[in-house]
Amino acid sequence: QITLKESGSTLVKPTQTLTLTCTFSGFSLSTNGVGVGWIRQPPGKALEWLALIYWDDDKRYSPSLKSRLTITKDTSKNQVVLTLTNMDPVDTATYYCAHVTLVPAKGGFDYWGQGTLVTVSS
Amino acid sequence: DIQMTQSPSTLSASVGDRVTITCRASQSISSWLAWYQQKPGKAPKLLIYKASSLESGVPSRFSGSGSGTEFTLTISSLQPDDFATYYCQQYNSDRTFGQGTKVEIK
Repeated sequence: QITLKESGSTLVKPTQTLTLTCTFSGFSLSTNGVGVGWIRQPPGKALEWLALIYWDDDKRYSPSLKSRLTITKDTSKNQVVLTLTNMDPVDTATYYCAHVTLVPAKGGFDYWGQGTLVTVSS
Repeated sequence: DIQMTQSPSTLSASVGDRVTITCRASQSISSWLAWYQQKPGKAPKLLIYKASSLESGVPSRFSGSGSGTEFTLTISSLQPDDFATYYCQQYNSDRTFGQGTKVEIK
């Protein structure tokens, strides 16, 4: 049974750096074809993909946020960490992590965490 | 970047209706498209992947079609549990979501 859970700062001041951790179980990020992604959703708005890291340490970032994002993995701890620098009130959103597999060629995010609401305010 | 455009933004329908949502990509994405359902306060749920493959456990009234730049999600007979917001997402090049289609009660 695959589960994921987000944790980290829920209130961040403008210009600060957000650090979120996705802790998962039921799969290994060292298995061929497996990845973990981050997606966010501002209140009342659409989903926005942020970043994705694969089993082979290939990392992908949203072009519009690439300069501010870093994604890393700790396979031994079953964790993926996302950092977003220079936070602004427009970054207020629910942040989700999610599992993806390329084997078979699904590509969609098939398991999601419950999400964590991050508020940016002074 | 590949942009995804859904239409309509909002759709009013009744239980039993056949519902179709369209998703267009700004360039060809072959069949690398997924559809999700999201209810308020909940994480999205994967319905369809590779444009037309039904995710395990998803009712057969949901179906997807299309390739290249134009795709559709069809609900053959809308059920009370189906009132939600639906998103398409491409994975031909990284990931991009559409802006969503809210299916509301008529």
